[in-house]
Amino acid sequence: DIQMTQSPSSLPASLGDRVTITCRASQDIGNYLRWFQQKPGKSPRLMIYGATNLAAGVPSRFSGSRSGSDYSLTISSLESEDMADYYCLQSKESPWTFGGGTKLELK
Amino acid sequence: EVQLVESGGGLVKPGSSLKLSCVASGFTFSSYGMHWIRQAPKKGLEWIALIYYDSSNKYYADSVKGRFTISRDNSKNTLYLEMNSLRSEDTAMYYCANGYWDYWGQGVMVTVSS
Repeated sequence: DIQMTQSPSSLPASLGDRVTITCRASQDIGNYLRWFQQKPGKSPRLMIYGATNLAAGVPSRFSGSRSGSDYSLTISSLESEDMADYYCLQSKESPWTFGGGTKLELK
Repeated sequence: EVQLVESGGGLVKPGSSLKLSCVASGFTFSSYGMHWIRQAPKKGLEWIALIYYDSSNKYYADSVKGRFTISRDNSKNTLYLEMNSLRSEDTAMYYCANGYWDYWGQGVMVTVSS
């Protein structure tokens, strides 16, 4: 099975900060990587697909990148509405696997 | 407007069975694979099953293989998850999502407890 190692698990940050969350894949997944945002009591929301593509309606301050087996989600200037949990997902093959999650919170 | 609405959850005893439903609207359900995903209380997301658009292929996580069955009825725009031999560790919010992961239901809670 492909393991997705996500870091950090918790990320205290201030409004306006540039923040980056990373997932490392244990095997080659190409660009089959998605990022989700989940707010308390809500369903996950797709933010990035194909490692670098912004999903519909997602603000342009969000971006995705890849360097080898490391995949990153970056928020260029943190806003209060971005405080949430974030998860990566490899969608290359079964079993589809999520990273452990990152809790983004105000410092 | 795309909607996925889950139902069928509840409180059941260990060893019991339960069948979840996910009714889709606002898109061509019969053209999409569909996933079930769950999230235990205060834990992360866990993918548990996928069914192809035509039911030709089904995939399961090891944690539910042999106990859960995913199915669909394209004439009713409905996805199902039949859960047997339920365990306490199956306690979670269960979500359905489309094959491209861009539409999710609101989730339905399943609690397995004696």
